[in-house]
Amino acid sequence: EPEVTQTPSHQVTQMGQEVILRCVPISNHLYFYWYRQILGQKVEFLVSFYNNEISEKSEIFDDQFSVERPDGSNFTLKIRSTKLEDSAMYFCASLGQGDHEQYFGPGTRLTVT
Amino acid sequence: RKEVEQDPGPFNVPEGATVAFNCTYSNSASQSFFWYRQDCRKEPKLLMSVYSSGNEDGRFTAQLNRASQYISLLIRDSKLSDSATYLCVVNIVGGYNKLIFGAGTRLAVHP
Repeated sequence: EPEVTQTPSHQVTQMGQEVILRCVPISNHLYFYWYRQILGQKVEFLVSFYNNEISEKSEIFDDQFSVERPDGSNFTLKIRSTKLEDSAMYFCASLGQGDHEQYFGPGTRLTVT
Repeated sequence: RKEVEQDPGPFNVPEGATVAFNCTYSNSASQSFFWYRQDCRKEPKLLMSVYSSGNEDGRFTAQLNRASQYISLLIRDSKLSDSATYLCVVNIVGGYNKLIFGAGTRLAVHP
């Protein structure tokens, strides 16, 4: 069964550093998403990406965040200058045309110290 | 008011019990409805979509009441492996399918 993959599984970084979280969505999917889940809290939408551009973003997704699909397979989330409160699980998801089920990757646990 | 509200639980039930989870949503433009399951520190996985007519998948039954903006999930004959957090999820018309998650209801099934 096709699956979404994410790397790394765990990233530890110091406050103020840049991090890039990587995702490989399912190959024929067209819609891509990033969600985050702070420990003990609900899953929150960050951004959706379609046709090589951001289609929607949440209030959380401020100027410190950016997304890219550099090569037609990878989908990345960059946080320019991490803060302590960015510590969370970051989930990538993808969706096929006409589908309703978003497939989630296993997540990257980001720890900012 | 939260967009999607769930009883956080935990629900502690013995094997074989029937357990029901409820969820309400605030945005009447909500278009699609789902129950996801999340195991500890894992990604959410789709359990089932929820339709107005109600739907059943084995031991799991989901119901939607659009007038009351209410969604339910019934689990019959609980198994130890059902222990997880159950997430009520909606998406909004015109929202590029972004998912709005409830905080989840934790279920612990014991022998």
